[in-house]
Amino acid sequence: DVKVTQSSRYLVKRTGEKVFLECVQDMDHENMFWYRQDPGLGLRLIYFSYDVKMKEKGDIPEGYSVSREKKERFSLILESASTNQTSMYLCASSLGQFGEAGELFFGEGSRLTVL
Amino acid sequence: GESVGLHLPTLSVQEGDNSIINCAYSNSASDYFIWYKQESGKGPQFIIDIRSNMDKRQGQRVTVLLNKTVKHLSLQIAATQPGDSAVYFCAAYSGGGADGLTFGKGTHLIIQP
Repeated sequence: DVKVTQSSRYLVKRTGEKVFLECVQDMDHENMFWYRQDPGLGLRLIYFSYDVKMKEKGDIPEGYSVSREKKERFSLILESASTNQTSMYLCASSLGQFGEAGELFFGEGSRLTVL
Repeated sequence: GESVGLHLPTLSVQEGDNSIINCAYSNSASDYFIWYKQESGKGPQFIIDIRSNMDKRQGQRVTVLLNKTVKHLSLQIAATQPGDSAVYFCAAYSGGGADGLTFGKGTHLIIQP
């Protein structure tokens, strides 16, 4: 069974803390993505990666960075957490490009609260 | 930019009835559409997709209809079951890579016994 695993389901952090959200997929997918999900706003793309050590900004990259040192792992980093980054964070992976074999497989989500 | 919206934030149906969830998109260049189901506390799960060269596609108990003229798509769920209770949202892809995929806000489907 295909799997995208987000290591932390619930986190509570303080303003200014550095936060790491880890995501691992076991499907040998090339593409990995980080979204945030907020009520009334839908999913918004933060960063994505089509290959190891490669990263691209999505629609809302400000305040975030990412790391992809290995094909199966894609980390989202909040260098200095702020209260407006309180959200549900969803990691996803896909085998191919959208419109070709672009099915996204999502993790269970990491709910981050910044106090 | 693209906007994708669902007509109703909440839809309540009787168990056994058919459910219809609607979605509108704004970009006429969108050529690939996906429906996702998200159960409480879980990540979104792919249900069905459709390309712009089709106007209907069927899966197991689900049908997606695409009307490109009015930029509208719908998800029909036959004989709704308690396990269908979830948030459903559509996504539209207009090309250009990952940032060409725009998600709608979601409709919460509630099943009445």
